[in-house]
Amino acid sequence: AQTVTQSQPEMSVQEAETVTLSCTYDTSENNYYLFWYKQPPSRQMILVIRQEAYKQQNATENRFSVNFQKAAKSFSLKISDSQLGDTAMYFCAFMKPGGTYKYIFGTGTRLKVLA
Amino acid sequence: EAQVTQNPRYLITVTGKKLTVTCSQNMNHEYMSWYRQDPGLGLRQIYYSMNVEVTDKGDVPEGYKVSRKEKRNFPLILESPSPNQTSLYFCASSFRGSGANVLTFGAGSRLTVL
Repeated sequence: AQTVTQSQPEMSVQEAETVTLSCTYDTSENNYYLFWYKQPPSRQMILVIRQEAYKQQNATENRFSVNFQKAAKSFSLKISDSQLGDTAMYFCAFMKPGGTYKYIFGTGTRLKVLA
Repeated sequence: EAQVTQNPRYLITVTGKKLTVTCSQNMNHEYMSWYRQDPGLGLRQIYYSMNVEVTDKGDVPEGYKVSRKEKRNFPLILESPSPNQTSLYFCASSFRGSGANVLTFGAGSRLTVL
């Protein structure tokens, strides 16, 4: 069974600095998708970025980028130029397409951006 | 606006009093699912539905029921709520297919069972 591990329950970063959130996963599948979701204090779950396992190029969305290491089963999120609005819980998620389309979520990393 | 709508957003109830949390999406998504979020445990899937009249258990289905009579609606039913069902609940939906199916989430429903 697939598992997703986020080993950093809490992190903090100074405004304008860069921070990296780690995520590792375990799967025997070759084709899958990985996601980072953000949950601000409003509780709304918002997609930050997604990565398709068959793509070697790391996904980037503005200040957010990932370091996808397929062999190491690692999927870290880098936030550049951190802003106060980045303060949120961040969840890493794995999804295997086909079948049940089940998503597996990590336990989350609470990020606080300090002014 | 494309969205998933959950109601109620907040609910306090007592043990054993049946309740339903509604979920509706306007994006014609085939796939819908329910999650509960608890501190330190992340999001865990309760039930999911691949299409109308097709539902199946997720990882933590005990104490819950669902139905999918219409494509847009996927209510979560707690027949006899207990305090261990106090949690934050999310409904989510997506298209099925070969692409990266991104889940669209509702705003969450905070349930407290006394």
